[in-house]
Amino acid sequence: NAGVTQTPKFQVLKTGQSMTLQCAQDMNHNSMYWYRQDPGMGLRLIYYSASEGTTDKGEVPNGYNVSRLNKREFSLRLESAAPSQTSVYFCASSEAPLKGTNEKLFFGSGTQLSVL
Amino acid sequence: DAKTTQPTSMDCAEGRAANLPCNHSTISGNEYVYWYRQIHSQGPQYIIHGLKNNETNEMASLIITEDRKSSTLILPHATLRDTAVYYCIVRVEAAGNKLTFGGGTRVLVKP
Repeated sequence: NAGVTQTPKFQVLKTGQSMTLQCAQDMNHNSMYWYRQDPGMGLRLIYYSASEGTTDKGEVPNGYNVSRLNKREFSLRLESAAPSQTSVYFCASSEAPLKGTNEKLFFGSGTQLSVL
Repeated sequence: DAKTTQPTSMDCAEGRAANLPCNHSTISGNEYVYWYRQIHSQGPQYIIHGLKNNETNEMASLIITEDRKSSTLILPHATLRDTAVYYCIVRVEAAGNKLTFGGGTRVLVKP
């Protein structure tokens, strides 16, 4: 039981390049999330998916797109990377949106992205 | 969501209890208090959550004041591995909601 798996762990891009961060969970969770964390800061929500087939913007969605490919997988795409997107990216999942369940989020180990 | 206020940092002696305060004076009746922690470079880890009553699990205890305007996370016997940033979050439990993480408290457990 791996939990939440993110790939790659590290990535260096040049400004303007594109890439997709992959995330998969094996806990049969309904909701999945992408957060970013800048040095010394808390986590900020980029996008989330409350269920398969739905996605919604979080606090900082500009410059990103997401795809909820199936219940297990939720990918984050940077179409044209910018230095301001240098950050650590975390994927998370939870049982929600089933009413009555708590918002216990399970996080992946993160992707460290540098945009030069 | 109600805003939370936590100290920026605190030190704790190994083997002693660590008491982490959190103020949430604008909390509303249906908002839960959640605690997560983030050990260096890792993804955040769920610790505990509660609504009104005090809660305890294998990791920690959560004490919520009667007026619910503040809470305290207690790590009963802090170890060096408890050194982390601890986040207090207030959120309504409902479909499709997401948690917002603030700056947290940086806890350093010293030998």
